[in-house]
Amino acid sequence: NAGVTQTPKFRILKIGQSMTLQCTQDMNHNYMYWYRQDPGMGLKLIYYSVGAGITDKGEVPNGYNVSRSTTEDFPLRLELAAPSQTSVYFCASSQGASGNTIYFGEGSWLTVV
Amino acid sequence: GENVEQHPSTLSVQEGDSAVIKCTYSDSASNYFPWYKQELGKRPQLIIDIRSNVGEKKDQRIAVTLNKTAKHFSLHITETQPEDSAVYFCAASESGAGSYQLTFGKGTKLSVIP
Repeated sequence: NAGVTQTPKFRILKIGQSMTLQCTQDMNHNYMYWYRQDPGMGLKLIYYSVGAGITDKGEVPNGYNVSRSTTEDFPLRLELAAPSQTSVYFCASSQGASGNTIYFGEGSWLTVV
Repeated sequence: GENVEQHPSTLSVQEGDSAVIKCTYSDSASNYFPWYKQELGKRPQLIIDIRSNVGEKKDQRIAVTLNKTAKHFSLHITETQPEDSAVYFCAASESGAGSYQLTFGKGTKLSVIP
């Protein structure tokens, strides 16, 4: 049972480059999320999706884009990478809205230099 | 929006002692309060949660208490073991359809000294 799988695990980007973090879940969850985690700052919600074709902004969406073409996949796109986007990114999913357990992927460590 | 404050930011205890982590929240509409444990380099994992219709919940050595009047909730770990060493996050949100924003505290790094 894979749960939530995200790739890549580590990536170094140069300023101005773009990349996509991939995320897929095999639990048939409707809700999916992208969080970023900065040292000592907890987890901040970037974007979320309540189902295929539906996405919405979280607390810190600037500099990112998402899409949700299928229930399983929820990729996060970084356009014009900036040093401020150096962080650990976690994809997550849940059966339903808040109040349901959120399952996290293993994280993607991104450094922008 | 919701604001969650978590204290302390670091906590060291001797093995076998108890550890307590406290969180306060600002939005009186919040009614779901999970706690996540994150070991070094790993993903956060839910360890226990509580809803506003309950004042206390226990699961073996872990307990969570909630005071809705004062808007604070706490995690209690008894008989701590070295494997309890991790970062613990509290969170708060409204529960149910239409509620998607789980607001996290900044975390508490717990070190259990053998």
